[in-house]
Amino acid sequence: SSELTQDPAVSVALGQTVRITCQGDSLRGYYASWYQQKPGQAPVLVIYGKTNRPSGIPDRFSASSSGNTASLTITGAQAEDEADYYCYSRDSSDNHYVFGTGTKVTVL
Amino acid sequence: QVQLVESGGGVVQPGRSLRLSCAASGITFSTFSIHWVRQAPGKGLEWVAVISYDGSNTYYADSVKGRFTISRDNSKNTLYLQMNSLRVEDTAVYYCARHRRYCTGGGSCSPYFDYWGQGTLVTVSS
Repeated sequence: SSELTQDPAVSVALGQTVRITCQGDSLRGYYASWYQQKPGQAPVLVIYGKTNRPSGIPDRFSASSSGNTASLTITGAQAEDEADYYCYSRDSSDNHYVFGTGTKVTVL
Repeated sequence: QVQLVESGGGVVQPGRSLRLSCAASGITFSTFSIHWVRQAPGKGLEWVAVISYDGSNTYYADSVKGRFTISRDNSKNTLYLQMNSLRVEDTAVYYCARHRRYCTGGGSCSPYFDYWGQGTLVTVSS
């Protein structure tokens, strides 16, 4: 099975921009989706497909991808964006799925 | 509104069994694949299993294959996870989540979850 690797932690000053990356071979064929998870809560979808946001997700969240790397960008980070973020995609072996290792975002 | 509600978690001894349920409302349950995802305390998310809309296809993570069985009863809008031969390392919050796909013109379909339950905690301990 393949893996999706994320940086364990990043920090960003309030109002500044932060990019979270997700690397893995399976991303060469599929878009990653991204999930925000706050302590004690279920994950919430923030991005799917190329850069689609579900209803209610602020437009400061965007995504991009290149080769085996997917990225989630928060432009103008807010205090409420402090959370763990996970990418997700298909595994390189079909019909299996994999989450990234997760990135803790701290807003300073 | 869409709701997925897990139940059945609890404390169980290693080697014993437990069955989780996920009751769905607000969606046409029988038209969607559904997954189980788990999260060990202080750890990341781990994909566990998926079942197709009609139950005809099931797939499992290597860590649970042969021990866990995913099933569904579309007449009851309910998903199940039968967990046998439980291990300490199976201790986690278990979530059910609805599978969706984003497909490009080239035919590649990328998966995502649009709805999640609130989770149910399974603790495997002697």
